[in-house]
Amino acid sequence: QKEVEQNSGPLSVPEGAIASLNCTYSDRGSQSFFWYRQYSGKSPELIMSIYSNGDKEDGRFTAQLNKASQYVSLLIRDSQPSDSATYLCALVGYGNKLVFGAGTILRVKS
Amino acid sequence: DVKVTQSSRYLVKRTGEKVFLECVQDMDHENMFWYRQDPGLGLRLIYFSYDVKMKEKGDIPEGYSVSREKKERFSLILESASTNQTSMYLCASSPNKGVWGETQYFGPGTRLLVL
Repeated sequence: QKEVEQNSGPLSVPEGAIASLNCTYSDRGSQSFFWYRQYSGKSPELIMSIYSNGDKEDGRFTAQLNKASQYVSLLIRDSQPSDSATYLCALVGYGNKLVFGAGTILRVKS
Repeated sequence: DVKVTQSSRYLVKRTGEKVFLECVQDMDHENMFWYRQDPGLGLRLIYFSYDVKMKEKGDIPEGYSVSREKKERFSLILESASTNQTSMYLCASSPNKGVWGETQYFGPGTRLLVL
């Protein structure tokens, strides 16, 4: 089992809809979780970090963490075409190294 | 703004060549990282460093080595390039020594093709 699993997509949503991106992980000891966005041909950039159970909101983005169920999700409200990108879930895992999922491609259609 | 730069955006090398990829950050960050990114596999950690002259193996160090002679510079070396090292290579840095649960800042990447 991979340490971090994401559906590769593409996930297609219409403009203005809520996009829901999910990530599951195997290491129960993981404490720090991150969502990075990567536009095509560009490098990843951090959009959200979350460290405790529950929701964390930042503008149109909400990260949700459930350690008991070992999943973390990212909700994007009022999706825009400019949100079209690959979203990478990452966590600090075994050996205190940052481990990335393979990413989910999001396409927002106008 | 944090700036991480990499020496080349695109590189074409032949099998068996020695390849140097350079990364420089200008924000006095303690930690630096080298990843490779392949379709369907995401980013995989090759090596990282939390101090000058210190290096730690990541998940896929075989066939690579690194050098950190100065705080701002972290080099990735492919001793004898092979076709399975064709990939996108990303350098990253983060501020605090040995603190892994913080933002990493990425360079633009080097797309390496080994023929």
